[in-house]
Amino acid sequence: DGGITQSPKYLFRKEGQNVTLSCEQNLNHDAMYWYRQDPGQGLRLIYYSQIVNDFQKGDIAEGYSVSREKKESFPLTVTSAQKNPTAFYLCASSNMVHRPQHFGDGTRLSIL
Amino acid sequence: EDQVTQSPEALRLQEGESSSLNCSYTVSGLRGLFWYRQDPGKGPEFLFTLYSAGEEKEKERLKATLTKKESFLHITAPKPEDSATYLCAVVGDFGNEKLTFGTGTRLTIIP
Repeated sequence: DGGITQSPKYLFRKEGQNVTLSCEQNLNHDAMYWYRQDPGQGLRLIYYSQIVNDFQKGDIAEGYSVSREKKESFPLTVTSAQKNPTAFYLCASSNMVHRPQHFGDGTRLSIL
Repeated sequence: EDQVTQSPEALRLQEGESSSLNCSYTVSGLRGLFWYRQDPGKGPEFLFTLYSAGEEKEKERLKATLTKKESFLHITAPKPEDSATYLCAVVGDFGNEKLTFGTGTRLTIIP
């Protein structure tokens, strides 16, 4: 079945530690996105990529980094510079921005 | 800057009691409005895309409509399995390659 796979489902970060969230898609979509979801707030865009080896900052990119070495993969690193990382992280992909985005089932990140 | 406001924040309905959810938007040059359903602990599931005022889409008990300022998600004779948070998002002008999401309406259907 085509879809988006995010792993792990739950992740814990220690102080000063970088952690990487995985996102893989087999929908053959060009564009991929990372969002952060906090209670009572809409999804906020962290980074997006429209093509391999290229990506752009979203609205809340500080403390995060990404790479896009393969069309299928768009990992997100939450660095130690992100002081409030506890949130639900969602990865999405689409053919074009005005086409529907399809989402994975998220990774919940917490602080130890 | 694009803006999306959803109302109400939460809605409780008896099973079979029809109602509507509202999504008001401000965007320069609407290229698409999207409705999603999100269950707790899951990613949003795509429901509908609307591209121009007057357009309507239907799926089972759900019907989405669009005007130049807002969209409605009408729920007819809902069942408990329709309980979820419903999200609305818009994408505007070329050059603005991202969706803007509302905060959602949390719908609870009581048996």
